[in-house]
Amino acid sequence: EIVLTQSPDTLSLSPGERATLSCRASQIINNNQLAWHQQRPGQAPRLLIFGSSNRASGIPDRFSGSGSGTDFTLTINGLEPEDFAVYYCQEYDGSFLTFGPGTKVDI
Amino acid sequence: EVQLVESGGGLVQPGGSLRLSCATSGFTFSSNWMHWVRQVPGKGLVWLCDITPDGSRTAYADFVKGRFTISRDNVKNMLYLEMNSLRDDDTAVYYCESQISRGGHWGQGTLVTVSS
Repeated sequence: EIVLTQSPDTLSLSPGERATLSCRASQIINNNQLAWHQQRPGQAPRLLIFGSSNRASGIPDRFSGSGSGTDFTLTINGLEPEDFAVYYCQEYDGSFLTFGPGTKVDI
Repeated sequence: EVQLVESGGGLVQPGGSLRLSCATSGFTFSSNWMHWVRQVPGKGLVWLCDITPDGSRTAYADFVKGRFTISRDNVKNMLYLEMNSLRDDDTAVYYCESQISRGGHWGQGTLVTVSS
């Protein structure tokens, strides 16, 4: 079973700044099957990035993903007020999917 | 428009049972792996189980294996989660999620509260 570690736990930034979130896996994730989800307070999660770097439908281009193997990054360029949320990475390399513990981006 | 709508949550006593449903529309349900994920309020997301597009294979997290059963009806575009022997620590919001590589859509969740 793959274990995902996210850092930092909390990222305190201001609107307009860049956010860089890290997700590290305990073993190699094949075919870059790593996704990022955003969860705003009181809302369901929504998919931002899949396949490590592919934006999901309707996701603004200020969101970008990168990485391979065991190290992955979500970058948010020019934070908007609605981007202050919790971000989870998720691996989907086969069954027994795993989520990271989340990174909270707050003001 | 893609929609996933969970229902069936509520208050149940420890040891009881509950069946959750996820009604889907706006995408080719029968081509998607489907997942159930839960979230204790204030905590992170936890994957529970999934099912192949044709329903022939399922997989479960160890802590629900033998208690929860995932199933689907590709004619009705419905996903189900049968939950038995419920415990206090099963209290959470339960979400259905479609296959990541085909859109990764989420429902709004349904709250299950296990309490006497």
